[in-house]
Amino acid sequence: GDSVTQMEGPVTLSEEAFLTINCTYTATGYPSLFWYVQYPGEGLQLLLKATKADDKGSNKGFEATYRKETTSFHLEKGSVQVSDSAVYFCALSGRDFGNEKLTFGTGTRLTIIP
Amino acid sequence: DSGVTQTPKHLITATGQRVTLRCSPRSGDLSVYWYQQSLDQGLQFLIQYYNGEERAKGNILERFSAQQFPDLHSELNLSSLELGDSALYFCASSVGPGLDGVHNEQFFGPGTRLTVL
Repeated sequence: GDSVTQMEGPVTLSEEAFLTINCTYTATGYPSLFWYVQYPGEGLQLLLKATKADDKGSNKGFEATYRKETTSFHLEKGSVQVSDSAVYFCALSGRDFGNEKLTFGTGTRLTIIP
Repeated sequence: DSGVTQTPKHLITATGQRVTLRCSPRSGDLSVYWYQQSLDQGLQFLIQYYNGEERAKGNILERFSAQQFPDLHSELNLSSLELGDSALYFCASSVGPGLDGVHNEQFFGPGTRLTVL
């Protein structure tokens, strides 16, 4: 079945550091890929998405590129801020009819220190 | 605010009891999804409804059931509760299936935190 493997956390960085959170997936066909973010005490928010190979999703300075050859969707940000502290989830959904569920990775807790 | 509402926010109950979690989707959304977030299992898909009909099932226990009503709100019923059912339960909604296999974005509610003592 579908699965997502995500970089183990927690990750602690200083403000303005470069961020990479690794994500690889296993799925049949060509899934859609997502990064969700969960701030303390809140639900999940979609951060960015990509729906086909070589697509780049971007939002709020975060980027991720859909790499079919390496089955990866790594999250990057050039300069992190304290407000980026949260838990980040990589996820996929299949393309089959009736297969819209999201399959999530384990989540990576990110803490940014001033 | 995603537009998805969930009640109650917190629920504390005892083993063996039954509880009902409620979800109201965003206006216009026809699909409702339920997910469970626990420390040992992570975020797992439970079940999906589309316009009142069950559409997909995930790792949902037989003690759990759900339904979507004509006004599109959904309820997740958890019975014979065990300690291991303690978790955060999320509801999400979307407009429904997308085109060409690209599914529409799911919007998540704030969750219901269930504690079973």
